[in-house]
Amino acid sequence: DAKTTQPNSMESNEEEPVHLPCNHSTISGTDYIHWYRQLPSQGPEYVIHGLTSNVNNRMASLAIAEDRKSSTLILHRATLRDAAVYYCIKGGSQGNLIFGKGTKLSVKP
Amino acid sequence: GAGVSQSPSNKVTEKGKDVELRCDPISGHTALYWYRQSLGQGLEFLIYFQGNSAPDKSGLPSDRFSAERPEGSISTLTIQRTEQRDSAMYRCASSRDAGLWNEQFFGPGTRLTVL
Repeated sequence: DAKTTQPNSMESNEEEPVHLPCNHSTISGTDYIHWYRQLPSQGPEYVIHGLTSNVNNRMASLAIAEDRKSSTLILHRATLRDAAVYYCIKGGSQGNLIFGKGTKLSVKP
Repeated sequence: GAGVSQSPSNKVTEKGKDVELRCDPISGHTALYWYRQSLGQGLEFLIYFQGNSAPDKSGLPSDRFSAERPEGSISTLTIQRTEQRDSAMYRCASSRDAGLWNEQFFGPGTRLTVL
């Protein structure tokens, strides 16, 4: 159950797009890629997930590389409320989520 | 509707005592997960239940840890003879079923401090 690789931290300006990268070179053909985020003093919350195709929802977009070895979470317009730790997650064999250390996103006004 | 709830929210105990942490999942969710999170770290998976069954207990850090979900709803995580290294935030999550395409909903956590 290998983890994913993400930068430790990133900064963004408010109202600008943010691209959060993730490498998952050991992913198998049936592994979903999940993104969760954790706001300060809260539990993780779901952001988005995908398998092969790019995905969009009200919170974000997920761009998955053709070889599936990397993906990028896109926040189209960062707000101060988006400051959080973002986790790129590969699923475990029991349906569990395998968390790494994530990327701490800071948003500047 | 109600989310995942956990109790107590905070637990301070003395080394060597037993503690019991409770998780009440979202109604109808058959899958339930326990994780723990040390300060500044990501979450570490402990155990998962599908209904009242936990197929694999190998994620539990030691034999002092046990968990049950007898009726497939509320789950308890018990730590016997607590040690200071058990201090962490213990988080529970539930999902509709165990498929990885299902969103996991996390509770507010129980912060355990072992003195």
